Amino acid sequence: GENVEQHPSTLSVQEGDSAVIKCTYSDSASNYFPWYKQELGKGPQLIIDIRSNVGEKKDQRIAVTLNKTAKHFSLHITETQPEDSAVYFCAAIGYSSYKLIFGSGTRLLVRP
Amino acid sequence: DAGVIQSPRHEVTEMGQEVTLRCKPISGHNSLFWYRQTMMRGLELLIYFNNNVPIDDSGMPEDRFSAKMPNASFSTLKIQPSEPRDSAVYFCASSFSRGSNTGELFFGEGSRLTVL
Repeated sequence: GENVEQHPSTLSVQEGDSAVIKCTYSDSASNYFPWYKQELGKGPQLIIDIRSNVGEKKDQRIAVTLNKTAKHFSLHITETQPEDSAVYFCAAIGYSSYKLIFGSGTRLLVRP
Repeated sequence: DAGVIQSPRHEVTEMGQEVTLRCKPISGHNSLFWYRQTMMRGLELLIYFNNNVPIDDSGMPEDRFSAKMPNASFSTLKIQPSEPRDSAVYFCASSFSRGSNTGELFFGEGSRLTVL
């Protein structure tokens, strides 16, 4: 089955700096890769996703890149702000599958 | 839309007691998931329903756990009897899946369960 590894587990950056979180997956059939942000006391919320026919996707300060050959994908947050502080999860899912497999999460702290 | 609604938000109970968690998915969604989140194991899928039918319950820890979805707008996750190791945050999520494409998963706020 699919296995998703995520690192780092914690990341501390200065406000305004960039943050990068990386994930690798094991199932070459996976074709959908969402990223979720979880704030304290809340459920995970989708912030961006990418499908396997695309190499990069941007949404304002957030971007995700996908390397299918190497089976890894990354989340990039530029010009970080204190409100970006949260736990971020990557996930992967295969074609014709319903089972979203989550990474272990990255706790991001943006220092003012 | 109000989003996925879960109740209770917090539950503290004693070992051996029955616990029932409730979920109202987003109207129009045809897929419902129950996840459990712990520090040690992260987010684990417990059970998946599609069109109210349980499709995959392989993540349910043991017979003490059961889930139902009597209609498209309501699901329950029951633990009987509860044990301290069941302490976790339980999330319900729903999505609209079209064909073989999984739609965006919308999570509820979670039910934090503490079993003493």
